[in-house]
Amino acid sequence: GENVEQHPSTLSVQEGDSAVIKCTYSDSASNYFPWYKQELGKRPQLIIDIRSNVGEKKDQRIAVTLNKTAKHFSLHITETQPEDSAVYFCAAVTSGTYKYIFGTGTRLKVLA
Amino acid sequence: NAGVMQNPRHLVRRRGQEARLRCSPMKGHSHVYWYRQLPEEGLKFMVYLQKENIIDESGMPKERFSAEFPKEGPSILRIQQVVRGDSAAYFCASSPGGQAAEQYFGPGTRLTVT
Repeated sequence: GENVEQHPSTLSVQEGDSAVIKCTYSDSASNYFPWYKQELGKRPQLIIDIRSNVGEKKDQRIAVTLNKTAKHFSLHITETQPEDSAVYFCAAVTSGTYKYIFGTGTRLKVLA
Repeated sequence: NAGVMQNPRHLVRRRGQEARLRCSPMKGHSHVYWYRQLPEEGLKFMVYLQKENIIDESGMPKERFSAEFPKEGPSILRIQQVVRGDSAAYFCASSPGGQAAEQYFGPGTRLTVT
């Protein structure tokens, strides 16, 4: 069945450094890849997404890259700030479906 | 422009009781999804509904769990005869369209079974 692997499970960076979170999906028919940020006790919030017809998308300090051949996609956060500390989830959605397959999450801690 | 609403936010039930969780989608959204999140784990798909229809319930346990999205009113996830293992956060999300459309999450209901 569909599967999304996410690494690392925890990540600590110094404030101002970059953070990279990687996901690998199994279904080659996946065509939509959202990223969610979940702060402790709160709802997951969509922060950026990418569709399979582009290789990269950027929104201020956040960027996502997609390698369809390798079935990898990554989240890049530059100039990290303490408020970036949260759990980040990637997801993959297969073309023609509605079902989000989530990764297991990455707990990011930005050290001041 | 209210977002996805869920209530209650916290629910405590004793083993054997019933739990009812409600979700009102964003205005203009007719697709609702329910997810379960165990402590320190990811989000697991449970069920996808449109108005008056269950589209996919493949992630929902076959016994004790049911979901509905009536023509009027919120979507309801119902858990009968709750057990301790049902303790989790239950999130619903809504979207305007079914296929690869952005899903927006509600604040979740944290169910504790004692």
